Amino acid sequence: EAGVVQSPRYKIIEKKQPVAFWCNPISGHNTLYWYLQNLGQGPELLIRYENEEAVDDSQLPKDRFSAERLKGVDSTLKIQPAELGDSAVYLCASSVHSGANTGELFFGEGSRLTVL
Amino acid sequence: AQKITQTQPGMFVQEKEAVTLDCTYDTSDPSYGLFWYKQPSSGEMIFLIYQGSYDQQNATEGRYSLNFQKARKSANLVISASQLGDSAMYFCAMREPYTGNQFYFGTGTSLTVIP
Repeated sequence: EAGVVQSPRYKIIEKKQPVAFWCNPISGHNTLYWYLQNLGQGPELLIRYENEEAVDDSQLPKDRFSAERLKGVDSTLKIQPAELGDSAVYLCASSVHSGANTGELFFGEGSRLTVL
Repeated sequence: AQKITQTQPGMFVQEKEAVTLDCTYDTSDPSYGLFWYKQPSSGEMIFLIYQGSYDQQNATEGRYSLNFQKARKSANLVISASQLGDSAMYFCAMREPYTGNQFYFGTGTSLTVIP
């Protein structure tokens, strides 16, 4: 079974430039999460999707961040324009909830963004 | 209030010794799940162990065990027979159905295994 796939792994951009991150969750996982992780900190939720619906985007800075999950599978997270403070690792995770499993999050390898 | 508190920013352990990483949580939801993740320097978060709030016994997975003390709201991770490859960041997390199955993470503990 393929894991959560993210790209790019690394991205270096100048401030004010746009950037996009892509995530392909594990097949059959209806819940998809985007997390922000600063150095030495735990992941912080940006947005959570149940299928194609964003059910929790309260922590997403909507003035510059946007996300979409068309057809309830792949997802894209965009930042436009990027600021110096956006330098971080962007983690995508997916999960499926049922009575038979623990509902743990499966994470991708993350996309490390550096804004110069 | 913090949902998950990890009070040990860094820990050291001798190879082959056991180590306990602390985690306390805060919730009023009677049904919740507790998780531990390992994050090596490569960056990927790796699921280690799960404890459900209604589970009577402490969870175990190989060298990992979870010391679940519900009344104290603590869920400490015990790693037995530490190996050099255990050196990583460790995050405690809670899933809270009351908030729509949102996950809350602690700030992590950096574990270094000394040869």
